[in-house]
Amino acid sequence: EPEVTQTPSHQVTQMGQEVILRCVPISNHLYFYWYRQILGQKVEFLVSFYNNEISEKSEIFDDQFSVERPDGSNFTLKIRSTKLEDSAMYFCASSEALRDRGNQPQHFGDGTRLSIL
Amino acid sequence: AQRVTQPEKLLSVFIGAPVELKCNYSYSGSPELFWYVQYSRQRLQLLLRHISRESIKGFTADINKGETSFHLKKPFAQEEDSAMYYCALSGLWGNEKLTFGTGTRLTIIP
Repeated sequence: EPEVTQTPSHQVTQMGQEVILRCVPISNHLYFYWYRQILGQKVEFLVSFYNNEISEKSEIFDDQFSVERPDGSNFTLKIRSTKLEDSAMYFCASSEALRDRGNQPQHFGDGTRLSIL
Repeated sequence: AQRVTQPEKLLSVFIGAPVELKCNYSYSGSPELFWYVQYSRQRLQLLLRHISRESIKGFTADINKGETSFHLKKPFAQEEDSAMYYCALSGLWGNEKLTFGTGTRLTIIP
């Protein structure tokens, strides 16, 4: 069964540094998402992306965050200047975009654990 | 604002006993509701969605619009059901974002 893959599985970065988290969505999926989960808290939506632009973003997704689909397979989340509070598990998800069948279930990757020192 | 509440952080159930994981939601309109499961060291997986009305691994969930609930039930717990369970909602159309509850860790006692 096709899967969403994320790299790296664990990223350790100094505060203030830039970090890029990578995701390869399922190949025929057209909607992409990033979520994060701070330790002990709920999974929170960050951003959704469709047709090469952001569809929706949360209050968390401020100017320090950006997303990109640099080629036909990768979907990246960049944090420009990391803060201690960015430490979390970051999940990528993707879904098909079949509008005549309504909402499509989102398929999640294993996540990248980001640790900011 | 949309919100999902899972009142139990932890739930322990004996093998063979019934399971009920509680979920209440708040949404202005008609949401789509989901249960996701995360087994130890595995990714979040879709368990079931209310629109498909399926029973997966013996689990069922029905929307109660009066109580705004979407409780997950299974008549007889199995050891392999031990996992983290998340209730989530989204809008009904257009591949919208998921709003998650805080999750319930279910432990099945042999």
